[in-house]
Amino acid sequence: SAVISQKPSRDICQRGTSLTIQCQVDSQVTMMFWYRQQPGQSLTLIATANQGSEATYESGFVIDKFPISRPNLTFSTLTVSNMSPEDSSIYLCSVPGTGGETQYFGPGTRLLVL
Amino acid sequence: KNEVEQSPQNLTAQEGEFITINCSYSVGISALHWLQQHPGGGIVSLFMLSSGKKKHGRLIATINIQEKHSSLHITASHPRDSAVYICAVRSYGGATNKLIFGTGTLLAVQP
Repeated sequence: SAVISQKPSRDICQRGTSLTIQCQVDSQVTMMFWYRQQPGQSLTLIATANQGSEATYESGFVIDKFPISRPNLTFSTLTVSNMSPEDSSIYLCSVPGTGGETQYFGPGTRLLVL
Repeated sequence: KNEVEQSPQNLTAQEGEFITINCSYSVGISALHWLQQHPGGGIVSLFMLSSGKKKHGRLIATINIQEKHSSLHITASHPRDSAVYICAVRSYGGATNKLIFGTGTLLAVQP
């Protein structure tokens, strides 16, 4: 199994500012996923982060708004840039289990933008 | 129409009741996941299914590939089962490890 931690667990931010969310995994993984869960909605994949290469963004998400770093096989960051109230969501990082048998999720970062 | 549909959206039960949550999907899949999300936001993977049935404690998950349908059952429900239950599928031939999520079922078990 994989244990994932995220920082911060929650934050309240002002419009126009940026927040960087950290994701730490207790084992080396090739792929890490960043999801957004808007209030009352299900999870939406933002991007897939592979170590040593640019992140792959899903339709509707761009690097300028959600820059991602993946400096090594156990760590990634997601930045939410130039925030607006519409960015208020839970942001979760996730990694696949061995052989794709399961998927592990971090505890999430609850973001409120005023 | 969403590729993954869950029903019901909301469910209130009395402690001890047998609970069923349904998931239907419209794409070919290689696997289906049932996830549990507690109010704090953290998500736990309950089951990963590609066929048949799996059981873990009071939880049972079944899948019918031909009918593109899965069910999650909770026997002898307890207030601590209160959570959002999410069905997610990995589409067949899709990007490796990319999941498509249902909108979730909010379960409240009352004592």
